[in-house]
Amino acid sequence: QPVLTQPPSVSGAPGQRVTISCTGGSSNIGAGFDVHWYQQLPGTAPKLLIYANNNRPSGVPDRFSGSKSGTSASLVISGLQAEDETDFYCQSYDRSLSAWVFGGGTKLTVL
Amino acid sequence: EVLLVESGGGLVQPGGSLRLSCSASGFTLSSYSVHWVRQAPGKGLEYVSTISNTGGNRHYADSVKGRFTISRDNSKNTVYLQMSSLGAEDTAVYYCVRDQSWYFDLWGRGALVTVSS
Repeated sequence: QPVLTQPPSVSGAPGQRVTISCTGGSSNIGAGFDVHWYQQLPGTAPKLLIYANNNRPSGVPDRFSGSKSGTSASLVISGLQAEDETDFYCQSYDRSLSAWVFGGGTKLTVL
Repeated sequence: EVLLVESGGGLVQPGGSLRLSCSASGFTLSSYSVHWVRQAPGKGLEYVSTISNTGGNRHYADSVKGRFTISRDNSKNTVYLQMSSLGAEDTAVYYCVRDQSWYFDLWGRGALVTVSS
């Protein structure tokens, strides 16, 4: 059972905006550890999408944004495009486990 | 080009052992902590292990503690994951990942490990 909870799937029409949530607890997100997001195309390695809650690496479009509040974080994708139909994972650190932890992943479907 | 390349994956019998290697090119691996993350077929990402840049600190997920050993040879720009007492639950693609302030900024393509008789 993943430590961080994500919805298994979300969907939206092209051009719309979707939000993917990532819920943790007092030993990880709530303890102040940053949340990071990764995008994974089928059959490929994950790629860093958002780091330290709301920062985009070079080359990531500004359609992708992140936020964090309390024990949760969110990834917002605006202006949905067909190429966004991939899997997304959140990640943080858990001090009780002394380990890096992931969410279970969310599959985005562009209708 | 900045790359991480895993090798050493393959088919192994239950109870067997395997050693994965992770080689870096385009940058000096000794400047970074390195993680191993795995992904079982059709499943999500699972943290496996971490080694600090000097090798002085190592961490393991509970699921592999006592069976897996992470190490590195900075003279060879390489990190290793020695896996033993392998079971079907260890079947996965194993990714070598570079650490950047506790997030994973560079991923290898992965090495498939299949545990089956």
